[in-house]
Amino acid sequence: EVQLVESGGGLVQPGGSLRLSCAASGFTVDNNYMNWVRQAPGKGLEWVSVLYSDGTTYYADSVKGRFTISRDNFKNTLYLEMNSLRPEDTAVFYCARDNDWAGYMDVWGTGTTVIVSS
Amino acid sequence: EIVLTQSPATLSVSPGERATLSCRASQSVNSNLAWYQQKPGQAPRLLIYGASIRATGIPARFSGSGSGTEFTLTINILQSEDFAVYYCQQYNHWPPMYTFGQGTKLEI
Repeated sequence: EVQLVESGGGLVQPGGSLRLSCAASGFTVDNNYMNWVRQAPGKGLEWVSVLYSDGTTYYADSVKGRFTISRDNFKNTLYLEMNSLRPEDTAVFYCARDNDWAGYMDVWGTGTTVIVSS
Repeated sequence: EIVLTQSPATLSVSPGERATLSCRASQSVNSNLAWYQQKPGQAPRLLIYGASIRATGIPARFSGSGSGTEFTLTINILQSEDFAVYYCQQYNHWPPMYTFGQGTKLEI
């Protein structure tokens, strides 16, 4: 079964750091484009970052320079390293697979919640 | 940045009726548009990609149309499980700068 399970969310103070993980099963993360998408409380979806199968990365302007997407092929896991966190980063973070290398996301995880507050 | 504007913000429809949701792009996205359904407390679910191609396992009552800047998601014979929030997403921008619409809440 194709599945994504996020972890690593929690409460962090402004300016702090957090690393999210997304464990994949049923497929390999290095053979797909993998994304992070977030959703602030009561708000819509916001794309955060994508990691291509060739290792190329792209970021939304709102997180560029603060967030880093990466993967561990051996663990079949996607990561999002988040630094200099701000209250406006508070959201549920989803990882999502792009199976067709096209830009749309066909499999989503259940999400992990990040709260940035003092 | 390509802005997607969805309308209406909320759509009230009765079960068994048809719902028509719109998504307008600030510039052409060709057919690089997807639709997602999200229920409370759940992750989004892919419904449509390529503007009109149903994703695997999506019932035929869901259909998408449009190209360029104007897109429509139609849901025929609404079922109780269809009441949710629907988002459109463009993936035409290069380099990748995917954007979502603000969502349409489909309510009974």
